[in-house]
Amino acid sequence: GENVEQHPSTLSVQEGDSAVIKCTYSDSASNYFPWYKQELGKRPQLIIDIRSNVGEKKDQRIAVTLNKTAKHFSLHITETQPEDSAVYFCAATPNSNSKLTFGKGITLSVRP
Amino acid sequence: AAGVIQSPRHLIKEKRETATLKCYPIPRHDTVYWYQQGPGQDPQFLISFYEKMQSDKGSIPDRFSAQQFSDYHSELNMSSLELGDSALYFCASSRPPEQETQYFGPGTRLLVL
Repeated sequence: GENVEQHPSTLSVQEGDSAVIKCTYSDSASNYFPWYKQELGKRPQLIIDIRSNVGEKKDQRIAVTLNKTAKHFSLHITETQPEDSAVYFCAATPNSNSKLTFGKGITLSVRP
Repeated sequence: AAGVIQSPRHLIKEKRETATLKCYPIPRHDTVYWYQQGPGQDPQFLISFYEKMQSDKGSIPDRFSAQQFSDYHSELNMSSLELGDSALYFCASSRPPEQETQYFGPGTRLLVL
């Protein structure tokens, strides 16, 4: 089955700096890669996603890049704000109606 | 916009008791997924349903069962509860292929004493 690894496990940045979170996956059949943000005790919320036929996608301060050959994808957050502090999960799935396999999550702390 | 609804939001049970968690997907969503999230862990897939049929099964214990009803809501039945079943249980829904994003409900926090 799919195995998603996420690095690093924690990340601390100064407000206004950029943050980059990287994930790798094992199943070459995976073709949909969502990123979720989860605050303590709350639900995971989708922040951006990318399909395998696209190399990069951007939404305001958030961007995701995908390298299918290397089987890795990354989340980029620019101009970080304290409210960006949360746990971020990457996930992968081969089909739009299939289960998500999540990475272990990264705790992002944005220092004011 | 309407979101995924889960009930109850909190549940406290004793060991060996049973529990039933309910999930009401976003209107017109026909696919429901159940995930279990332990403290400090990532969500682990349990089971999913599409059009009232089980579509995939993950690491769901035999003590658990689930179904999706004609109105697309789903219930997760948990029997012979163990201390290790204490976790957040999330339901997510989607409507592939038009809407492949899995939207998560607020979760049910289950505590087994």
